[in-house]
Amino acid sequence: GESVGLHLPTLSVQEGDNSIINCAYSNSASDYFIWYKQESGKGPQFIIDIRSNMDKRQGQRVTVLLNKTVKHLSLQIAATQPGDSAVYFCAVRGKAGKSTFGDGTTLTVKP
Amino acid sequence: DAGVIQSPRHEVTEMGQEVTLRCKPISGHNSLFWYRQTMMRGLELLIYFNNNVPIDDSGMPEDRFSAKMPNASFSTLKIQPSEPRDSAVYFCASSLIGDGNSPLHFGNGTRLTVT
Repeated sequence: GESVGLHLPTLSVQEGDNSIINCAYSNSASDYFIWYKQESGKGPQFIIDIRSNMDKRQGQRVTVLLNKTVKHLSLQIAATQPGDSAVYFCAVRGKAGKSTFGDGTTLTVKP
Repeated sequence: DAGVIQSPRHEVTEMGQEVTLRCKPISGHNSLFWYRQTMMRGLELLIYFNNNVPIDDSGMPEDRFSAKMPNASFSTLKIQPSEPRDSAVYFCASSLIGDGNSPLHFGNGTRLTVT
């Protein structure tokens, strides 16, 4: 099966700085990767995704990088704002539609 | 788009009682997932349905847990009898599985406390 791990359980950054959250996965056959943001009292919310035929995808202030060689995924948030404070999860979806989630990184933005 | 709707938002019950959690997925989505979230175990997939048919229930902890999806717009997760270790936040998510990208869309969860 798939296992998904994060490098750091917590991350604290200064407002305005860039944030980088990392994730590793185990199954080299995985083909779809997703980042979610979870705020207190809410369910995880989709941020950005990437397929295995790409190595970079950009959204508004967020970028996902995929390194299939080392099975590593990262989320970069530019100009981090207080509203970005949340728990961030990476997820890897298998071909049957089943998603495996990492443990989450708690991002704290200091004003 | 109302998103995935779960009810109740909070449930407090005594050990031994039956608990039923409800979920209305996003209209048009063909897959529905039940997850459980705890501090110790994180997000665990309990069961998921595709076109109302259970595909994988290997995450269901034991026979006390059961899930149904009688139609495309409704699903229930039942715990009978409930135990204190079932206390967690239960999330329902839906998705359109098929060609192309398809992330999960989560509801805001049901926080279950079993005393």
